[in-house]
Amino acid sequence: GQQLNQSPQSMFIQEGEDVSMNCTSSSIFNTWLWYKQDPGEGPVLLIALYKAGELTSNGRLTAQFGITRKDSFLNISASIPSDVGIYFCAGRGLGNQFYFGTGTSLTVIP
Amino acid sequence: NAGVTQTPKFQVLKTGQSMTLQCAQDMNHNSMYWYRQDPGMGLRLIYYSASEGTTDKGEVPNGYNVSRLNKREFSLRLESAAPSQTSVYFCASSRTPALAASNEQFFGPGTRLTVL
Repeated sequence: GQQLNQSPQSMFIQEGEDVSMNCTSSSIFNTWLWYKQDPGEGPVLLIALYKAGELTSNGRLTAQFGITRKDSFLNISASIPSDVGIYFCAGRGLGNQFYFGTGTSLTVIP
Repeated sequence: NAGVTQTPKFQVLKTGQSMTLQCAQDMNHNSMYWYRQDPGMGLRLIYYSASEGTTDKGEVPNGYNVSRLNKREFSLRLESAAPSQTSVYFCASSRTPALAASNEQFFGPGTRLTVL
């Protein structure tokens, strides 16, 4: 099965700093989704992207669908303690399945 | 609106035992999915149901069976549990099948399964 390469694997940042993470695939995708997962909970959808080049914001979060359609980026500005969690990307190509990245664990130090 | 609910939250089984994980959604979604999440592996699709009455294998279907009981409910069955099936299982639903645009999946809280 296809796995997406998500980096970095983990991040430790100071409160107030900006965060960037990305996801790459060897295949072209038509949809990219970004999720956040808190401990003991299911993933919660943050942002959905449907077109190459698309840039979408959700509050302090901004995500982009890469022009090559093989990557996507998520930025978090001015991080706060509640941003702590694991962030997952998910991509879909021509089929019915979404493929998930291995996650970026974010720790925000107050 | 409860969204996607899963039962049980935790389960411990012995090798060879069987059990069924239950999932229900109240969002009138057409499509439902079962994933497993293992450390360092992300989420992997086990089975999905694009619409009521249909089911299809995902990436890792071996050792599992599913039933789309009605539009609301999608169950996952382990007939003979193995230690390799120790994992966290998530159910998800979406308004439309993945092929359609605007397909966004909503996840349940998960079932933590340990097979001894």
